[in-house]
Amino acid sequence: GDSVTQMEGPVTLSEEAFLTINCTYTATGYPSLFWYVQYPGEGLQLLLKATKADDKGSNKGFEATYRKETTSFHLEKGSVQVSDSAVYFCALGAGSSNTGKLIFGQGTTLQVKP
Amino acid sequence: DADVTQTPRNRITKTGKRIMLECSQTKGHDRMYWYRQDPGLGLRLIYYSFDVKDINKGEISDGYSVSRQAQAKFSLSLESAIPNQTALYFCATSDFEGPGRERYEQFFGPGTRLTVL
Repeated sequence: GDSVTQMEGPVTLSEEAFLTINCTYTATGYPSLFWYVQYPGEGLQLLLKATKADDKGSNKGFEATYRKETTSFHLEKGSVQVSDSAVYFCALGAGSSNTGKLIFGQGTTLQVKP
Repeated sequence: DADVTQTPRNRITKTGKRIMLECSQTKGHDRMYWYRQDPGLGLRLIYYSFDVKDINKGEISDGYSVSRQAQAKFSLSLESAIPNQTALYFCATSDFEGPGRERYEQFFGPGTRLTVL
């Protein structure tokens, strides 16, 4: 079945460092791909999305490109801030079933130190 | 006001008790979901509903039940709580434009932290 795999965390970086969080997926069809962020004590909120191959989603300095050939959707940011400390979830829209369901990766905790 | 609200935000209960978690939304979305979050496991889908008359099991529905009282309200019940149901529970909603035009973006409530002793 469809699945999402994220890199293990936690990831600890210094402020202004470059961030990459890897995400790969397995799916039939052509799923939509998402990154959600969960700040401490809050629910998940959509960070960015891409709906077809080679699309680049971007928001708040974060970017991710839908790579069909490598089935990946890695999250990147050129210069992280302390305020980016959160848990990041990669997810796919269940492409084969068209049910509106999302399948989430296990989440990656990012801690940014001043 | 928040678009998706959950009550209570925190709950501590004992094994064997019946618990209800409530979710309300003002987004006008037809689709609603219940997830649980456990460390290292991400979010797992418990139940989902596409409209008031439609209830579907997710990947981990055993031990849970739901009720969709209205378009805006979706409740999750634990009939007899057990300690391994200790988790963070999220409600979410999404829009729907029609077959083949899925809107997968989901909007989440703030979560309910449930502890079963």
